Amino acid sequence: SQTIHQWPATLVQPVGSPLSLECTVEGTSNPNLYWYRQAAGRGLQLLFYSVGIGQISSEVPQNLSASRPQDRQFILSSKKLLLSDSGFYLCAWDHGQGIGYTFGSGTRLTVV
Amino acid sequence: EDKVVQSPLSLVVHEGDTVTLNCSYEVTNFRSLLWYKQEKKAPTFLFMLTSSGIEKKSGRLSSILDKKELSSILNITATQTGDSAIYLCAVVGDGLTFGKGTHLIIQP
Repeated sequence: SQTIHQWPATLVQPVGSPLSLECTVEGTSNPNLYWYRQAAGRGLQLLFYSVGIGQISSEVPQNLSASRPQDRQFILSSKKLLLSDSGFYLCAWDHGQGIGYTFGSGTRLTVV
Repeated sequence: EDKVVQSPLSLVVHEGDTVTLNCSYEVTNFRSLLWYKQEKKAPTFLFMLTSSGIEKKSGRLSSILDKKELSSILNITATQTGDSAIYLCAVVGDGLTFGKGTHLIIQP
């Protein structure tokens, strides 16, 4: 079956520290993968999407970066976190064919 | 720039009431409209709508798309406390654009 895993679930990091959030998909190949951030009252904001290994598109300028080292792995990173990076981060997978998107369980990041 | 607007942003009703949530959009190359329910964690898929006027139904939830009006509604009848959640509308165009969500609270 097709599943999407995202970890960790909760993270508290000091300002200036690095970040690495991981997302993996199972049961499919060459998925379109997305990183979203959800801030209070602002809905879901697309950060990055990837259509294949090494292919990353950035939607908004920010302190974060993304990488896709393997077909079913999508990583969200930062070298130095800012307070404004706090939020709920979601990885999503596009089933394609207009079927819809499936989300990972999310990571709540608090930068202190 | 694609845009999705949901209303109301927040709604409190009593158990047993019927609620209607609205979603309007401005999207280039519209492909489909999606409704999600988000409780504590990730959004879970409810409906995908592609054709105007065809109601999708799942239990007490139903949704319909009006392409002429560029909008969709999500109805929940006989609400229960378990329906309390954020309901997200998203539109698939050239990308996927989300509204800010409607925070629905059902009071017993």
